[in-house]
Amino acid sequence: DSGVTQTPKHLITATGQRVTLRCSPRSGDLSVYWYQQSLDQGLQFLIQYYNGEERAKGNILERFSAQQFPDLHSELNLSSLELGDSALYFCASSVFRETGEQYFGPGTRLTVT
Amino acid sequence: ELKVEQNPLFLSMQEGKNYTIYCNYSTTSDRLYWYRQDPGKSLESLFVLLSNGAVKQEGRLMASLDTKARLSTLHITAAVHDLSATYFCAVDIVEDSNYQLIWGAGTKLIIKP
Repeated sequence: DSGVTQTPKHLITATGQRVTLRCSPRSGDLSVYWYQQSLDQGLQFLIQYYNGEERAKGNILERFSAQQFPDLHSELNLSSLELGDSALYFCASSVFRETGEQYFGPGTRLTVT
Repeated sequence: ELKVEQNPLFLSMQEGKNYTIYCNYSTTSDRLYWYRQDPGKSLESLFVLLSNGAVKQEGRLMASLDTKARLSTLHITAAVHDLSATYFCAVDIVEDSNYQLIWGAGTKLIIKP
């Protein structure tokens, strides 16, 4: 158990809908990262927040947005969902702003039908 | 272009054999990470390599880093079925004061009894 929690574990929704994925980092970690992993694909970095501020942006679609709240939990919002958005979405956290040693949550499996 | 290349991308091997996974990266870095992912599961940090010549070992896995060659290896000794997983390397790169973590595509390892 990494100490990072994600909810929900599974999510099934229809095209065009909007969903929110939630992540709570490990206690004491200030950075939160979001990743997308499609079936049998590698990891796509979406976005990083550090202590409430956006720190780095990857290949995040305009339909997707995220934020980190004062209690350091983070939410990833996905809107106007398409079939191709079906994937595992991981949240990871780390203590510092710049480190590759990240602790991953269990993931949210999103299925868009 | 910043690249992290792993090879092979797929490896099927017999129990008891030795093998090496390679991770090459295209620009200067002295921080490299190895992660393991079981099918449908989250990622788990295996090794953190923070300097040239760093070597870390855990059980049948040994990782090393050669920053001059921009190469890391993950060596598997006397493989056992439980090591079947996908292995990712990731590299910290700082460019123009901007930090990026670049991920390899992953090596899917299947170990047959």
